[in-house]
Amino acid sequence: AQTVTQSQPEMSVQEAETVTLSCTYDTSESDYYLFWYKQPPSRQMILVIRQEAYKQQNATENRFSVNFQKAAKSFSLKISDSQLGDAAMYFCAYLGPGYALNFGKGTSLLVTP
Amino acid sequence: DAGVIQSPRHEVTEMGQEVTLRCKPISGHDYLFWYRQTMMRGLELLIYFNNNVPIDDSGMPEDRFSAKMPNASFSTLKIQPSEPRDSAVYFCASSPTGTSASYEQYFGPGTRLTVT
Repeated sequence: AQTVTQSQPEMSVQEAETVTLSCTYDTSESDYYLFWYKQPPSRQMILVIRQEAYKQQNATENRFSVNFQKAAKSFSLKISDSQLGDAAMYFCAYLGPGYALNFGKGTSLLVTP
Repeated sequence: DAGVIQSPRHEVTEMGQEVTLRCKPISGHDYLFWYRQTMMRGLELLIYFNNNVPIDDSGMPEDRFSAKMPNASFSTLKIQPSEPRDSAVYFCASSPTGTSASYEQYFGPGTRLTVT
């Protein structure tokens, strides 16, 4: 079974600064997708960014970007110019051939003024 | 589109009672997923459907849990009888047919279930 590991239970960043959240995964597949989801206190799961494993180029969505290292099985999320609204739980997720998402345990991000 | 709709948003019930959670996926999506979120176990897949047919129910904890999808626009997750350890947030998610442009799952707001 695929496993997703987020080694940072909590992170803190100052407003306007940059923070990187770590994620590693384990799989024997060559074709898969990786996601970062954000869960604010409202508990709504919001897709932040997606990466296809066959693409070498790192995905970027406005202030959010990833560092995808396929050989190392690493998929970190960088948030630039952090805003108070970025405070939330962030979940890394793996999607293999089976269509079911495997989630990490999450990283709680605190943004301080 | 209204997104994935779940009802109720909150449910409080007593141990032993039957609980039914409901989900309406996004129109046109042919995959539907039920997830459970707890502090101890995080987010875990319970079951998913493709074109109303259950594909993988290996995550369903035990026989007390059952899920149905009678048509493309409605699914239920039933717990009978409920137990305090079933207390969790239950999410429904839907996804369009897997294409290179997608595989994204769109989540509903979740149902917070408390069993006393």
